[in-house]
Amino acid sequence: GENVEQHPSTLSVQEGDSAVIKCTYSDSASNYFPWYKQELGKGPQLIIDIRSNVGEKKDQRIAVTLNKTAKHFSLHITETQPEDSAVYFCAPKGGSYIPTFGRGTSLIVHP
Amino acid sequence: ETGVTQTPRHLVMGMTNKKSLKCEQHLGHNAMYWYKQSAKKPLELMFVYNFKEQTENNSVPSRFSPECPNSSHLFLHLHTLQPEDSALYLCASSPSGGQSSYEQYFGPGTRLTVT
Repeated sequence: GENVEQHPSTLSVQEGDSAVIKCTYSDSASNYFPWYKQELGKGPQLIIDIRSNVGEKKDQRIAVTLNKTAKHFSLHITETQPEDSAVYFCAPKGGSYIPTFGRGTSLIVHP
Repeated sequence: ETGVTQTPRHLVMGMTNKKSLKCEQHLGHNAMYWYKQSAKKPLELMFVYNFKEQTENNSVPSRFSPECPNSSHLFLHLHTLQPEDSALYLCASSPSGGQSSYEQYFGPGTRLTVT
């Protein structure tokens, strides 16, 4: 099965700073790389994803970068705001339709 | 909001009780999932159903019994639970074939407390 590691487990930043969360995976057949955000009292929701034929994708303040050779992808959040405070999960998908979730990163944005 | 609903949202039950969690999606997805999320622990995949057939059972104790009567509904039947089973139980659905994105759509979860 896929081994997924996510770092850091906790990230504390000041409002306006950037935040970067990294996810490493083991399955070289992985072809879909999403990031989910889980707010308090809710289930995780997809915020951005990337496929294996693309190196970077941006959506306003968030971006995902993929390095297939090194088997890692990262979530970048710029100009962080208090509402970005949440738990973020990576969930790379290999040959099966079933993803493997990372352990989560708790992002705290201080006003 | 996500198209996946779960009931009840909160449940308190004794160790000798029998209860059921319900999940419903009308997104046209073929795969449905149960996850357990405990404090300080990662998401734990429990069961997966694809086209109403169970395809994954991650060594879940038999006191948890899933049921998938059709592609839109998923149940988790609970009996003789232990206090360590207290957690947030999340249901999700996704496409499962072709070139689809495989994005998972999660419900809000059921917060279960076993006393």
